[in-house]
Amino acid sequence: QVQLQESGPGLVKPSETLSLTCTVSGASISSGDCYWVWIRQPPGYGLEWIGSIYHNGNTYYSPSLKSRGSISVDSSKNRFSLKLTSVTAADTAVYFCARLAGDSFPDTFDIWGQGTTVTVSS
Amino acid sequence: QSGLTQPPSVSAAPGQKVTISCSGSNSKIGSNYVSWYQQLPGAAPKLLIYDNNKRPSGISDRFSGSKSGTSATLDITGLQTGDEAIYYCGTWDSSLWMFGGGTTLTVL
Repeated sequence: QVQLQESGPGLVKPSETLSLTCTVSGASISSGDCYWVWIRQPPGYGLEWIGSIYHNGNTYYSPSLKSRGSISVDSSKNRFSLKLTSVTAADTAVYFCARLAGDSFPDTFDIWGQGTTVTVSS
Repeated sequence: QSGLTQPPSVSAAPGQKVTISCSGSNSKIGSNYVSWYQQLPGAAPKLLIYDNNKRPSGISDRFSGSKSGTSATLDITGLQTGDEAIYYCGTWDSSLWMFGGGTTLTVL
């Protein structure tokens, strides 16, 4: 079955860049009408969609990131990545990667990674 | 704020039924499918309902969803202690995806 696994540093200093990778197994990231997404959850808060990418590189981002975020795909390694620049303590969260799929339009987060905790602190 | 409103918490006794609501706008829930996710303590969210009322394989028929106008609901019948979790609704609008604030279910 399709599985997603996040990886990356658990601690990032303020003003630096957060970089995470999501490795996909059990399916090709380049096939199918689905998007690959990043979602985060600050401690004690709800889920926040960060952004989505299609295998052709088309991307969509949450306006709340104020252009600090970028998502890319590496089809050769079957993985996609998130970069978030100029981080602050407000970016401390559990970061999930997920697959966004649907019968007629990708509107359902049907498969999730287990999540990785990122703390922004000096 | 995502524009999807859920009650912060609901509670009911084991064996009972509970309903969780999710309200939005015409451009969000009114125009698009709604999905529901269950997040058990310390775990990643899991898809419960998609396309307003469809269950993925393996999801109990105790969980059901519906939508009317700009609101959606998740019904859980035959409550079990293992259903204690946070439940999120989700939809999209103009290529932006979003979640409700989440509803904590307590099984008394």
